[in-house]
Amino acid sequence: KNEVEQSPQNLTAQEGEFITINCSYSVGISALHWLQQHPGGGIVSLFMLSSGKKKHGRLIATINIQEKHSSLHITASHPRDSAVYICAVSRPYGGSQGNLIFGKGTKLSVKP
Amino acid sequence: NAGVTQTPKFQVLKTGQSMTLQCAQDMNHEYMSWYRQDPGMGLRLIHYSVGAGITDQGEVPNGYNVSRSTTEDFPLRLLSAAPSQTSVYFCASSLRTSDTDTQYFGPGTRLTVL
Repeated sequence: KNEVEQSPQNLTAQEGEFITINCSYSVGISALHWLQQHPGGGIVSLFMLSSGKKKHGRLIATINIQEKHSSLHITASHPRDSAVYICAVSRPYGGSQGNLIFGKGTKLSVKP
Repeated sequence: NAGVTQTPKFQVLKTGQSMTLQCAQDMNHEYMSWYRQDPGMGLRLIHYSVGAGITDQGEVPNGYNVSRSTTEDFPLRLLSAAPSQTSVYFCASSLRTSDTDTQYFGPGTRLTVL
C-alpha cells in the first residue's frame, strides 16, 4: 500500500464548479505539501501545512492530523486550473531519511 | 534570485553512455534532492543531500551517483545509461527547518535513453 494516497486520480469539471482533491497518508509527518504541475511544465509549491487550514486566492488546503487526511479545494474553477495536483508529505524534521513522499497526483481538467 | 536551475532541458543518450545532469540553487538551501518522474509512478527520490559534503540514497539510487562539494550545486551522474532511465528528472531544494520546508523545484530535464 502506498504511504500517500490521492483521490480521485482523474477529475473533469465544468468552469465555475467547486473542486475537492483528497490525500490520505499512513506515516508520521512534519508537514504536508500540495504541489501543482502544468502540462509539460515544472512543479510549483502551492501550500505547506502542518495543521488547520490555509487559503490563497481560490485555493484552500486543510489538514486533519488525527485522521491523517488533507483536502485541496478550488472554488470557482477555471480552465487555467487544469493541471496535475500532487500531495506530498515531509518526514519528521531531523530524521536521516529522504525528505518527501509523494502521491501519484490528481489530473484535473476544467472545461469552459 | 534564479531559484533552482537545471541543465540540460532535454537530452538523448545511447545505452551505455554517461552524462551529468546539473542542478544549482542560489537560495543558500542546505537540503537538495533529485527525483525522477515516470508515468503512473509519481515522483521518486533518487539521492538527496542535507548539506555540502553529505549525500545519501533515496528510493531508486541504482545507476546514479551524486556529490555535493558546495551548497549551491548538486549534480546527478548517470554512470552507464540504460533505457529504464528514460524519465523526467527534477532537482529540488528547501531550507528544511522546523518552521519551514517549502520545496523549490527546477524546471526538469527530459532524458531519453535509446
